[in-house]
Amino acid sequence: QSVLTQPPSVSEAPRQRVTISCSGSSSNIGNNPVNWYQQHPGKAPKVLIYSDDLLPSGVSDRFSGSKSGTSASLAISGLQSEDEADYYCAAWDDSLDAWVFGGGTKLTVL
Amino acid sequence: QVQLQESGPGLVKASGTLSLTCAVSGGSISSNDFWTWVRQPPGKGLEWVGEIHHSGSFNYNPSLESRVTISVDKSKNQFSLKLRSVTAADTAVYYCARAGATSNYLDPWGQGTLVTVSS
Repeated sequence: QSVLTQPPSVSEAPRQRVTISCSGSSSNIGNNPVNWYQQHPGKAPKVLIYSDDLLPSGVSDRFSGSKSGTSASLAISGLQSEDEADYYCAAWDDSLDAWVFGGGTKLTVL
Repeated sequence: QVQLQESGPGLVKASGTLSLTCAVSGGSISSNDFWTWVRQPPGKGLEWVGEIHHSGSFNYNPSLESRVTISVDKSKNQFSLKLRSVTAADTAVYYCARAGATSNYLDPWGQGTLVTVSS
């Protein structure tokens, strides 16, 4: 059981927009920045969004992040087949003194 | 740019100790960053194991704290993970990564190494 809660899977058609939610608590998302990672099968994760809504250099602006209270969201617009991957949210947890991840969301581009 | 490479045995006997090393190239382990281990059981999600700063400051996952030690070797520009009393539940791909002091996210990551615990 992950500390951060994500839907196990989402799907959408190419060129459409999809959002992935991440729910936490006041000890993690509610008080600390959220990062989002993308992981393709057999590959290491790659950061997509940091500090709730910032894009690292080199990441497509089709990806965006937002946060409200104890929940965060990742949005992907203009879906492409290459976006099929697993997506994880992460945040520092003040109660655990540890980084916590969501359980991951598998995105299928129909 | 900084690159990370994990190394260590791919097979460990149950009740034994898992030992992995992460070599850092293209940068110094004595930077102000935290050096991190994350693991991923087959078909499952990511789990943060712990992190260490070159000063010796560290944080461990509370669920693993009694069995884990992360250390830094400045002379070799590498850091290591030891996980004691392993069971089949510790079978996973183990990744090393850097948590930037200012960015506060994990990047870059090593390619990962699969460690299987055998009975």
